[in-house]
Amino acid sequence: AQSVSQHNHHVILSEAASLELGCNYSYGGTVNLFWYVQYPGQHLQLLLKYFSGDPLVKGIKGFEAEFIKSKFSFNLRKPSVQWSDTAEYFCAVRQNTGGFKTIFGAGTRLFVKA
Amino acid sequence: SQTIHQWPATLVQPVGSPLSLECTVEGTSNPNLYWYRQAAGRGLQLLFYSVGIGQISSEVPQNLSASRPQDRQFILSSKKLLLSDSGFYLCAWSRETLRRGANYGYTFGSGTRLTVV
Repeated sequence: AQSVSQHNHHVILSEAASLELGCNYSYGGTVNLFWYVQYPGQHLQLLLKYFSGDPLVKGIKGFEAEFIKSKFSFNLRKPSVQWSDTAEYFCAVRQNTGGFKTIFGAGTRLFVKA
Repeated sequence: SQTIHQWPATLVQPVGSPLSLECTVEGTSNPNLYWYRQAAGRGLQLLFYSVGIGQISSEVPQNLSASRPQDRQFILSSKKLLLSDSGFYLCAWSRETLRRGANYGYTFGSGTRLTVV
């Protein structure tokens, strides 16, 4: 069965530290890839997405992610985190077979210390 | 602009009681609609999705059902709640299309925290 793995369930960083959240998926076909963020008490929001083209995609608030097809990975990065980045981050993979099924990872809770 | 409304925000229900969670979308037509459950440490689990009125696909067999009586309304129901139905339920919509280059993600509602006691 298809799955999405996020390597860290909890990450604690100090402000200005660099961030990388891992995401791997198991599906051999064409995929669309997403990162969503849920700030405390708020809705899930789309952070960035990859559909085709440049495998390095840039999203809102200085986040970026790189799709490495050979590694089935779509890691999220930010060079310097801020306290306001404290949130839960979800990686999601949609199989681009004409269906609508999107599989989400378990999420990574990021806490940034001021 | 498009908005999605989900209610109630919190709900405490006894075991065996019925459930009805409602989700409505404004500002778009013929959206694809989804119900997800978010369990701690387990991510978002797709429960149901709908591509049109009366069209429901179930991803996980369980105690819940979904209906889409109108184009922009999606309802999650149960006849008799179980303790294991407790969780955080999210409605979402997307403007998916099968054509190449489509690049829409999901927009999520604010969620309903259901506690079955």
